Amino acid sequence: DSGVTQTPKHLITATGQRVTLRCSPRSGDLSVYWYQQSLDQGLQFLIQYYNGEERAKGNILERFSAQQFPDLHSELNLSSLELGDSALYFCASSARGGIYNEQFFGPGTRLTVL
Amino acid sequence: SQQGEEDPQALSIQEGENATMNCSYKTSINNLQWYRQNSGRGLVHLILIRSNEREKHSGRLRVTLDTSKKSSSLLITASRAADTASYFCATVINTGNQFYFGTGTSLTVIP
Repeated sequence: DSGVTQTPKHLITATGQRVTLRCSPRSGDLSVYWYQQSLDQGLQFLIQYYNGEERAKGNILERFSAQQFPDLHSELNLSSLELGDSALYFCASSARGGIYNEQFFGPGTRLTVL
Repeated sequence: SQQGEEDPQALSIQEGENATMNCSYKTSINNLQWYRQNSGRGLVHLILIRSNEREKHSGRLRVTLDTSKKSSSLLITASRAADTASYFCATVINTGNQFYFGTGTSLTVIP
């Protein structure tokens, strides 16, 4: 158990809908990362927050947005969902925002868009 | 395209044998990390090697880094059935703060 929690575990929804994925980092970790893992794209870095501020941005679509709240939990919002958005979404946390930090991954949220 | 590419894509060995997987990347890195993922679960950090290091050990793991060839290898010695998983390299490039994960090597250790 990494100490990172993600909810929900599974999510099934229809095209065009909007969903919110939630992540609670390990106790004391200030940095949160979001990743998307699909069969065709592999594991893609989406975005990183550090202590409430956006720190780095990867291949995140404009239809997706994220934020980190004062209690350090984070939410990833996916809107106007398409079939291709079906994937495993992982959240990871690290103690600080630096690039030498080991990341601790949550169990993931499996999103299925029908 | 992804920064890291692992080779082979899949590897099947007998318990007790050594497993070697390779990672190649495209641009200069600050450090390279190896992660392990059991089927459908979150990744687990294994080892980090900085760009100025050439070799690092952790238990049965040995990682090498050749920055001139832009490649790294992960060696798992005396493999066990419990080592069955996918292994990913993640490169952290010098500009920006992004982690790029490779395509992964699927390792099967047969008891």
